[in-house]
Amino acid sequence: DGGITQSPKYLFRKEGQNVTLSCEQNLNHDAMYWYRQDPGQGLRLIYYSQIVNDFQKGDIAEGYSVSREKKESFPLTVTSAQKNPTAFYLCASSILHRQSIQETQYFGPGTRLLVL
Amino acid sequence: GQQVMQIPQYQHVQEGEDFTTYCNSSTTLSNIQWYKQRPGGHPVFLIQLVKSGEVKKQKRLTFQFGEAKKNSSLHITATQTTDVGTYFCAVNRDDKIIFGKGTRLHILP
Repeated sequence: DGGITQSPKYLFRKEGQNVTLSCEQNLNHDAMYWYRQDPGQGLRLIYYSQIVNDFQKGDIAEGYSVSREKKESFPLTVTSAQKNPTAFYLCASSILHRQSIQETQYFGPGTRLLVL
Repeated sequence: GQQVMQIPQYQHVQEGEDFTTYCNSSTTLSNIQWYKQRPGGHPVFLIQLVKSGEVKKQKRLTFQFGEAKKNSSLHITATQTTDVGTYFCAVNRDDKIIFGKGTRLHILP
């Protein structure tokens, strides 16, 4: 069964704590992405990675960090520097990342983060 | 930078009525994608349009790409309760992919 998995589905965090969201894909995709979605809003790009050991900032990278040590994994850390971390976080992957035309993105089920 | 505007933000229709959402850009697009997100779910790819004036159909869904490649529309004929959700367009900008804010469709029984 191929796809993207995110864990956990729900995550509670105390204010001031760092937390890491997991994203794993077995689609053999080169590119992976992290988005944030707030209620009633669209998707905003946090970070993306075109290839292993490489990643770029998206539109709202402040307060977040990522790593891409393996092709299938792209974890996102929400740091204490992120002022409004409560949101729905979506991970996605695509075969590759091209500048001129985008490939289809396959999304994971998402993680809902709630800061207490 | 390139902006993409999606309208309307919300749409309530009676079951059986038609529905249309529009995506507009200030600059020429290389291509555009459409996604659907069911309530509580994640976005799922619907289609990609590349050619000027392109029209594609998927059962009751009709997708159009404008002649100038600056706008696109998604039209649903005779809506059903299964059509409920938020429809997003997505475009390329500066080596990144940006999504419109989406149109949330509510179906009234």
